[in-house]
Amino acid sequence: DGGITQSPKYLFRKEGQNVTLSCEQNLNHDAMYWYRQDPGQGLRLIYYSQIVNDFQKGDIAEGYSVSREKKESFPLTVTSAQKNPTAFYLCASSIRTGGYNEQFFGPGTRLTVL
Amino acid sequence: AQSVSQHNHHVILSEAASLELGCNYSYGGTVNLFWYVQYPGQHLQLLLKYFSGDPLVKGIKGFEAEFIKSKFSFNLRKPSVQWSDTAEYFCAVNALSGGSNYKLTFGKGTLLTVNP
Repeated sequence: DGGITQSPKYLFRKEGQNVTLSCEQNLNHDAMYWYRQDPGQGLRLIYYSQIVNDFQKGDIAEGYSVSREKKESFPLTVTSAQKNPTAFYLCASSIRTGGYNEQFFGPGTRLTVL
Repeated sequence: AQSVSQHNHHVILSEAASLELGCNYSYGGTVNLFWYVQYPGQHLQLLLKYFSGDPLVKGIKGFEAEFIKSKFSFNLRKPSVQWSDTAEYFCAVNALSGGSNYKLTFGKGTLLTVNP
């Protein structure tokens, strides 16, 4: 079964703690993305990666970090520097970056900061 | 920078009613256009897309959208909605120049509630 998996589904964190969200894809896609979804705000791009060992900031990268050591994995770390981390986080992938390539989305991780 | 406006935050319809969700974008160059749908508890998935050619595109589940370049619009339509169409709908735009070719810009979404 090909697709994107994100874990955990729900995550709770105390203020001041870093937390890492997992994203794995078995679609053999080069490009991967992280979005943040807030009610009434749509999706906003945090980071994207076009290829292994490369990643670029999106529109709201402050307080987040990523790595891309393997093609199939693109973990996102929410650091204590992120002022308002409570949100729904979506990971996506596409064959390559570029507008002709459909993005496929994972089921999301809901992060709550207590 | 490109932006996407979805005019309706929440639309409530009865089954069999016709649907039109508005989407306007601000970018003067060539664009690719998408509608994504998020059913309750499910992944965000592609409903339909426009790259070029016939401005009227058909997607899954009886949805269609019309690209009107002069109006910078890409409205989503369905002649007769069903209860199962209850979902959140997102319009997205990709501008094919200016260094942001990689990027999809999403609208804020429209929540559609269909009452049986």
